[in-house]
Amino acid sequence: TQLLEQSPQFLSIQEGENLTVYCNSSSVFSSLQWYRQEPGEGPVLLVTVVTGGEVKKLKRLTFQFGDARKDSSLHITAAQTGDTGLYLCAGVLNAGNMLTFGGGTRLMVKP
Amino acid sequence: DAMVIQNPRYQVTQFGKPVTLSCSQTLNHNVMYWYQQKSSQAPKLLFHYYDKDFNNEADTPDNFQSRRPNTSFCFLDIRSPGLGDAAMYLCATSRDPGATYEQYFGPGTRLTVT
Repeated sequence: TQLLEQSPQFLSIQEGENLTVYCNSSSVFSSLQWYRQEPGEGPVLLVTVVTGGEVKKLKRLTFQFGDARKDSSLHITAAQTGDTGLYLCAGVLNAGNMLTFGGGTRLMVKP
Repeated sequence: DAMVIQNPRYQVTQFGKPVTLSCSQTLNHNVMYWYQQKSSQAPKLLFHYYDKDFNNEADTPDNFQSRRPNTSFCFLDIRSPGLGDAAMYLCATSRDPGATYEQYFGPGTRLTVT
């Protein structure tokens, strides 16, 4: 059992649709990050959230950190083919601990 | 632009033949990490350096070693690669092991073992 569970594992949608990806845990995290990884490349940091209830927006992407800092969501509005990739959430339990990755959500946006 | 660079991008080695992967960074970050990522899985941390201090994950096989000769460079040595070691190897850096732990990844080296 992973410390961070992501759902869904796979998602295939049409361009223009909206989607939400979830990252859940029973543990409390001091911070949580979202990365996007394209095939054959390394993960790219999208956002860091540190405060319970925090909402951050990055163009069409909206990230939310749960009030209890145990979960997070990523919502994409009007998905584009360029959004295709592996979305990874990763969290830090306490300062000085390593980053813990979720299993990832593989998103495919079809034209 | 400041970045994390990995060479080579693709490496083919023979079963049992030692191989070295390299990583360099221009971010001047104190911490450098090596991850192994197999197909469709999350990255798995092998070890990290905090400045010159080496920190090995408990389940990292002895077959994997690392060197950090200076702040900018870090190497991953696989002493006797097995078929199961074929994977993408990712190098990452962070400024320090602070509470947010933001990490910046290189493009990875895809290792094939024949």
